[in-house]
Amino acid sequence: GAGVSQSPRYKVAKRGQDVALRCDPISGHVSLFWYQQALGQGPEFLTYFQNEAQLDKSGLPSDRFFAERPEGSVSTLKIQRTQQEDSAVYLCASSLLTGLRETQYFGPGTRLLVL
Amino acid sequence: AQKVTQAQTEISVVEKEDVTLDCVYETRDTTYYLFWYKQPPSGELVFLIRRNSFDEQNEISGRYSWNFQKSTSSFNFTITASQVVDSAVYFCALYTGANSKLTFGKGITLSVRP
Repeated sequence: GAGVSQSPRYKVAKRGQDVALRCDPISGHVSLFWYQQALGQGPEFLTYFQNEAQLDKSGLPSDRFFAERPEGSVSTLKIQRTQQEDSAVYLCASSLLTGLRETQYFGPGTRLLVL
Repeated sequence: AQKVTQAQTEISVVEKEDVTLDCVYETRDTTYYLFWYKQPPSGELVFLIRRNSFDEQNEISGRYSWNFQKSTSSFNFTITASQVVDSAVYFCALYTGANSKLTFGKGITLSVRP
């Protein structure tokens, strides 16, 4: 079946511009995660949804970052007033259920460059 | 707090060599899962293997094998008879469930030369 998809794959933004990144999880997956991956680093957790509920947003770096999943499927990560330090790859992952046994499956990521 | 350390940063081998990628983790939780993911140049993280903290039996799956030792908090991953297509960045990750997130190491860049 189809995996996790993300769009756009690449985004160039001018500093101060707002951006929206989309994630389509694997159909039927309850849990959805966003990670940020800086160049040469491992992914770092941003936020987590169980269905439409955002249960953990402890990794969001500032109040300029906002994520939603209103119908429990597609999710959008929005970054307001982008800064150069926001340049990174943003990865979305989903898992079938919630809990320790679950494996997270990742999308191809959105590479954001802020000029 | 959870932490994953991948001390190796880059490894280069010739095709058909065996290669072992090291991973050391830290957690106070007694129940956890460990993962290896592969990230080819396309950027997508590809799930390879996972292991839970209660099962230290080491396994082989095709050309992949892993060595999990709780006594040393290590979860090493071996590729046997490496191929050029194995060239990628490999991440070890820890999941305790307590905070619902994967904690990743910094990754190891593996280059397999023909």
